[in-house]
Amino acid sequence: SAVISQKPSRDICQRGTSLTIQCQVDSQVTMMFWYRQQPGQSLTLIATANQGSEATYESGFVIDKFPISRPNLTFSTLTVSNMSPEDSSIYLCSGGGTANEKLFFGSGTQLSVL
Amino acid sequence: GENVEQHPSTLSVQEGDSAVIKCTYSDSASNYFPWYKQELGKGPQLIIDIRSNVGEKKDQRIAVTLNKTAKHFSLHITETQPEDSAVYFCAAFHTGTASKLTFGTGTRLQVTL
Repeated sequence: SAVISQKPSRDICQRGTSLTIQCQVDSQVTMMFWYRQQPGQSLTLIATANQGSEATYESGFVIDKFPISRPNLTFSTLTVSNMSPEDSSIYLCSGGGTANEKLFFGSGTQLSVL
Repeated sequence: GENVEQHPSTLSVQEGDSAVIKCTYSDSASNYFPWYKQELGKGPQLIIDIRSNVGEKKDQRIAVTLNKTAKHFSLHITETQPEDSAVYFCAAFHTGTASKLTFGTGTRLQVTL
């Protein structure tokens, strides 16, 4: 199994600012993903973080709002840009081997935007 | 795309009883079905998974069954303990494609003493 460290674990931000979330995996993984989880809700995929190329975004999520980097097979960042209160949520990083099998999650970043 | 329905949304059982959570999926091509447990303030934890070439898989007190014909799969927890209290998510995926892992809506399990 992979251990995924995510930071910060929580943050309170002012609207209009940006926050970058870091995700570190303790071993090389083929796939890395970023999810959003509203309180009491299921997980919604934001994008697939592709190593060395632009991320692949799901419908409703755009690169200008959620720029993602993945410089190598163990690290990725997600930036939430120009934040508004609607961005308040839990953001989760995940990583795994082949395709989506054995997907492991970080502990999440709880973001509150005032 | 894939659609996963999960029932019940909440489940309360007494310690020692069994708990069953059911999911149905829509895409007959889906062939990988993981279950995740999420405790408060933590990320989802993979607890068991099953592939479509297997009908049942067991790991200690946890078992998962799959009915490909009916396109449904279930999580069974026996001899429940208070530490089993959490939110459980099922998911479905078609391996080998670029499609995403689709999650169910979650079941909040409460094990009471």
